[in-house]
Amino acid sequence: NAGVMQNPRHLVRRRGQEARLRCSPMKGHSHVYWYRQLPEEGLKFMVYLQKENIIDESGMPKERFSAEFPKEGPSILRIQQVVRGDSAAYFCASSQTQGTGELFFGEGSRLTVL
Amino acid sequence: AQSVTQLGSHVSVSEGALVLLRCNYSSSVPPYLFWYVQYPNQGLQLLLKYTSAATLVKGINGFEAEFKKSETSFHLTKPSAHMSDAAEYFCAVSEETSYDKVIFGPGTSLSVIP
Repeated sequence: NAGVMQNPRHLVRRRGQEARLRCSPMKGHSHVYWYRQLPEEGLKFMVYLQKENIIDESGMPKERFSAEFPKEGPSILRIQQVVRGDSAAYFCASSQTQGTGELFFGEGSRLTVL
Repeated sequence: AQSVTQLGSHVSVSEGALVLLRCNYSSSVPPYLFWYVQYPNQGLQLLLKYTSAATLVKGINGFEAEFKKSETSFHLTKPSAHMSDAAEYFCAVSEETSYDKVIFGPGTSLSVIP
């Protein structure tokens, strides 16, 4: 399966813990995007990364959230000291070519904060 | 910055009836316009994409959308609804300054009644 792979699919954390969400883009894709989907809401752009670079993080909360896409390995979205408001589905998407706007999405990671 | 609105968070149609899902974008013409579909517990899948080559765009599963600059609209239609069309539909645009930064509308949930 050469699709975008996200794990874990479901993650439960208690307030104050850390959440790490992983995303492996489609084979040959070097652009990764993270979106957050809150219940009954659309997808909100968080961050756009290329290998080893953050291109646009204008949608990322300034505190507790960080993202990386290392030279080797998956992209990681890290949420420190989670709060109940972080409960959401986090989707990763990838694209092959810059400038086409065509995104291929993973099935999402659903974070629940107790 | 670009934005999209989708009129009607929930739409119900009878099986075999016309499907019309509405989308309006902000006043400046975006580089690209998209419709994505999300089935339950899955990621988003691209239905179709407008690139200014043609105002009527045909997509997968019998869907099409018409770009109307005078109305700043990009409504999605399908002549005859199938039960399998029940899903969440998102209209999206790409930013002029960053084509790969895709902004999504709030979504419309489509129900198909047998």
